[in-house]
Amino acid sequence: AQSVAQPEDQVNVAEGNPLTVKCTYSVSGNPYLFWYVQYPNRGLQFLLKYITGDNLVKGSYGFEAEFNKSQTSFHLKKPSALVSDSALYFCAVEWSSASKIIFGSGTRLSIRP
Amino acid sequence: DAGVIQSPRHEVTEMGQEVTLRCKPISGHDYLFWYRQTMMRGLELLIYFNNNVPIDDSGMPEDRFSAKMPNASFSTLKIQPSEPRDSAVYFCASSLGRRINTEAFFGQGTRLTVV
Repeated sequence: AQSVAQPEDQVNVAEGNPLTVKCTYSVSGNPYLFWYVQYPNRGLQFLLKYITGDNLVKGSYGFEAEFNKSQTSFHLKKPSALVSDSALYFCAVEWSSASKIIFGSGTRLSIRP
Repeated sequence: DAGVIQSPRHEVTEMGQEVTLRCKPISGHDYLFWYRQTMMRGLELLIYFNNNVPIDDSGMPEDRFSAKMPNASFSTLKIQPSEPRDSAVYFCASSLGRRINTEAFFGQGTRLTVV
């Protein structure tokens, strides 16, 4: 079955340090992978996507993600965290034979000053 | 474009009442999605449409839930009768088309509370 997993419910990082939010997927065919961010009482906002091409994808607010086919992962990264990055982050996957997007359970990122 | 517009933002209703949630997608987008978000189950895809036609409603939890898209600029999600376990935030999202695999744009959501 198609699925996407975010193994960490919460990630805590000090401001200025690098951050990583993990995501793994299981789909048949070619995956299309996305990261979204949700701030309190708001809808989800698109951060970045991987469709094809370079495995390292750069997105909004200095975030990037690396597609690793052998490990079926798409971890979100940022070299230097900001307090304003604190939010709920969702990984999502769509597979080429279908048109629907399914989301992971979300990871709450908390950046301490 | 103002983005995906959902109404109402908040809805409080009594158990057994009918609830209708509304969504206006971004103009020109041909895919529309309805999601439900709860603490227990996270973000669940309920149903999605392509060119106003329902494509996959396998995520609709029960027959009490129904969704329609009478035209390209409007969709509704109806719950009849509503139950306390339907309390959640319901999101509508739209996208330009899977052929070019664009991202989905989300509305602000409707927070539904059934008492």
